[in-house]
Amino acid sequence: KAGVTQTPRYLIKTRGQQVTLSCSPISGHRSVSWYQQTPGQGLQFLFEYFSETQRNKGNFPGRFSGRQFSNSRSEMNVSTLELGDSALYLCASSPGTASGSPLHFGNGTRLTVT
Amino acid sequence: AQSVSQHNHHVILSEAASLELGCNYSYGGTVNLFWYVQYPGQHLQLLLKYFSGDPLVKGIKGFEAEFIKSKFSFNLRKPSVQWSDTAEYFCAVNAISSGSARQLTFGSGTQLTVLP
Repeated sequence: KAGVTQTPRYLIKTRGQQVTLSCSPISGHRSVSWYQQTPGQGLQFLFEYFSETQRNKGNFPGRFSGRQFSNSRSEMNVSTLELGDSALYLCASSPGTASGSPLHFGNGTRLTVT
Repeated sequence: AQSVSQHNHHVILSEAASLELGCNYSYGGTVNLFWYVQYPGQHLQLLLKYFSGDPLVKGIKGFEAEFIKSKFSFNLRKPSVQWSDTAEYFCAVNAISSGSARQLTFGSGTQLTVLP
């Protein structure tokens, strides 16, 4: 079974631009979560989607948004990029929303903002 | 809000040495606890998890962890490490009241280097 696929692997953007990251979950997984990983803050929860609905959102500004499609694929968007948005963005999928559903992480998209 | 502390940022061991990585969390309610591992160049993988029941949980590759509720701790152990255990290890907590089982709070990670 293919794992979680994130595209692109690397991105370089300029301050003020916007960016869209894509995540394809494991087949059959309906929950997709996004995390930001930085050396200073570590791994931080961004948001979770299930059945095309955002179920939970972390403590990030409104510039960070996402969506989920009917095939469970998800995108996250960051508008008006800031230097501090440089990070590894991780997507994780799970079969459902119950506590017993572990997260399966992708390799991430490394975003560099210059 | 909950927080997770991993006190050891970098641990260096020789092969066959025993391992214990500390993890403490701050949250007074019910939690689910996890250890994830990230091998060089690979994605985060689940090592083990604790939801309820026996506080001593066993995971993959010979790892185990013990949940001590009174100490808010969930330390990871392995009796004899191998060179292939070189990786970064993350402790994570999910507060049941957070509304999402996928909203994990992660520790800052411990880099384990095993010398051959």
